[in-house]
Amino acid sequence: AQSVTQLDSQVPVFEEAPVELRCNYSSSVSVYLFWYVQYPNQGLQLLLKYLSGSTLVKGINGFEAEFNKSQTSFHLRKPSVHISDTAEYFCAVSAPMDTGRRALTFGSGTRLQVQP
Amino acid sequence: GAGVSQSPRYKVAKRGQDVALRCDPISGHVSLFWYQQALGQGPEFLTYFQNEAQLDKSGLPSDRFFAERPEGSVSTLKIQRTQQEDSAVYLCASSLEGQGFSGNTIYFGEGSWLTVV
Repeated sequence: AQSVTQLDSQVPVFEEAPVELRCNYSSSVSVYLFWYVQYPNQGLQLLLKYLSGSTLVKGINGFEAEFNKSQTSFHLRKPSVHISDTAEYFCAVSAPMDTGRRALTFGSGTRLQVQP
Repeated sequence: GAGVSQSPRYKVAKRGQDVALRCDPISGHVSLFWYQQALGQGPEFLTYFQNEAQLDKSGLPSDRFFAERPEGSVSTLKIQRTQQEDSAVYLCASSLEGQGFSGNTIYFGEGSWLTVV
């Protein structure tokens, strides 16, 4: 079984400042890692995903994340945030094919509040 | 359609009432998932279909929850004798993957907001 911990429930930040949203996971097998964003009253939208290869993954809207296997982390970063980035961000993991499990396991979310 | 479509978007049910939530996945998507998202929480897995076959229902919280996808396209999540703790957003998601999971993107609908009073 896998689990995901998002260490911060809320992150306030000023516009144009950098931000990092933290995510740690635990799993007994190799996993795929994802970040999703959820705007108010909307569904989840994929920001980026790590499957294999380069540990630095670039996504949409200027976000990037780095997979660190030794620290079992997948932190999300953006060098300069905008007001429009205000949303809930979810880290998620899934098990690859050989475990037969297709579902995503989500963290509890981090609310990013960008202030002018 | 262009995305995953769910209906109704909002549903208020009296305790004890049965409800049915519908999901239209992206055309051609083999995999379909249902998730439950309580207020202030991340989505939690309920069940998974590959075409019409329900391969994983380990997340269904009780036997009052039932899901089906009879023709491998549209899916319905049914909740019988609703309780207040069933109040949540029910998210449907679909992906292209078939037999092999290659990390294909899972696309989510906007959810059905269920309030049990």
